[in-house]
Amino acid sequence: GAVVSQHPSWVICKSGTSVKIECRSLDFQATTMFWYRQFPKQSLMLMATSNEGSKATYEQGVEKDKFLINHASLTLSTLTVTSAHPEDSSFYICSASDPRGANVLTFGAGSRLTVL
Amino acid sequence: AQRVTQPEKLLSVFKGAPVELKCNYSYSGSPELFWYVQYSRQRLQLLLRHISRESIKGFTADLNKGETSFHLKKPFAQEEDSAMYYCALSGTSYDKVIFGPGTSLSVIP
Repeated sequence: GAVVSQHPSWVICKSGTSVKIECRSLDFQATTMFWYRQFPKQSLMLMATSNEGSKATYEQGVEKDKFLINHASLTLSTLTVTSAHPEDSSFYICSASDPRGANVLTFGAGSRLTVL
Repeated sequence: AQRVTQPEKLLSVFKGAPVELKCNYSYSGSPELFWYVQYSRQRLQLLLRHISRESIKGFTADLNKGETSFHLKKPFAQEEDSAMYYCALSGTSYDKVIFGPGTSLSVIP
């Protein structure tokens, strides 16, 4: 079945540094990937839609200069948290549109970011 | 605006009892509705989608456009059904998928 790999699974960084999170579709091509953020005991909040070969579409309230998204190939999307601050600490989850259907999502395992 | 609501944050039922997880939505158009499930220490995964009209692990969900609901039902709950359940909505193909707040189901043995 469709598998999405997300790396790293957890990362700790100092305030002011940048962190890159990778999301790969392992056995299928994903023209569209989605990045979500999940706070403890809360639902998934859509941050942006990543489209291969074009600019990402950000949701209202999400700073595009803060959360840089690049979808350079059909199997890889990256999220870079720039100049991270403690309030950026969260669980970031990527997903890709699944071959089973355009709107069916296959999820990565998530990346826990802690900014000190 | 697209919105998904799940009124129950927590739901506890006894093993063998029927279970219903409620989901309501608002969408100006014809949405596609989904139920995703997250078992303990596992990633989120698709449970079922309304256009498939199938039963997965004994669960079914019927889209009621009049009531804008997509409740998830199972006649006899099992312990392994304990998990976090998210109702989700999408519009046209490759459109964004919006999630509800989730309901934590606990099946008591």
